[in-house]
Amino acid sequence: RKEVEQDPGPFNVPEGATVAFNCTYSNSASQSFFWYRQDCRKEPKLLMSVYSSGNEDGRFTAQLNRASQYISLLIRDSKLSDSATYLCVVIAMTTDSWGKLQFGAGTQVVVTP
Amino acid sequence: DAGVIQSPRHEVTEMGQEVTLRCKPISGHDYLFWYRQTMMRGLELLIYFNNNVPIDDSGMPEDRFSAKMPNASFSTLKIQPSEPRDSAVYFCASSEPGQSSYNEQFFGPGTRLTVL
Repeated sequence: RKEVEQDPGPFNVPEGATVAFNCTYSNSASQSFFWYRQDCRKEPKLLMSVYSSGNEDGRFTAQLNRASQYISLLIRDSKLSDSATYLCVVIAMTTDSWGKLQFGAGTQVVVTP
Repeated sequence: DAGVIQSPRHEVTEMGQEVTLRCKPISGHDYLFWYRQTMMRGLELLIYFNNNVPIDDSGMPEDRFSAKMPNASFSTLKIQPSEPRDSAVYFCASSEPGQSSYNEQFFGPGTRLTVL
């Protein structure tokens, strides 16, 4: 079983609709969580960090559920420009500040007109 | 700011040849990461450095892979000898020091490697 798992999708979303997807992690020592966005044939870029209390950045909302060991990303009022692959990143505590860093394989979102 | 610079952007080589990928991190960033991305395995962390010192190389697939960071502004990832299964996109990323241990990683554009 992979340490970080994501539904690969694609999630086909009409423009203006809401889409949400999860990322599950197996290491209970995980302490930091992020969502990155990767456009086709481009490098990943940080979308947002995920805080314990949940956080919002414009149309994007991230949630953390430690008990069930998953994080989620919700996109409201989807735009065509939201079409991308969304990667979750999980970092587990070790003695080094960066710890054990794991990327999920990504969830593809396709927003259609 | 130029961002993370990687070269070459594309590399096509034949099995058995040596391949060297290069990375220049963002000035002032003291963490440098090397990743490999394939359709089958996704994005995998190969190795990362802090202040030019390798911290975790547990992701390096085998002895054919080696990475160095001789100074704060340059790192290389070498594959010798290369094999077709090494074909992938190799990303370099850097991160700055800060109050939080986990700061944003800035990725370079990647090197697309094809081994024939």
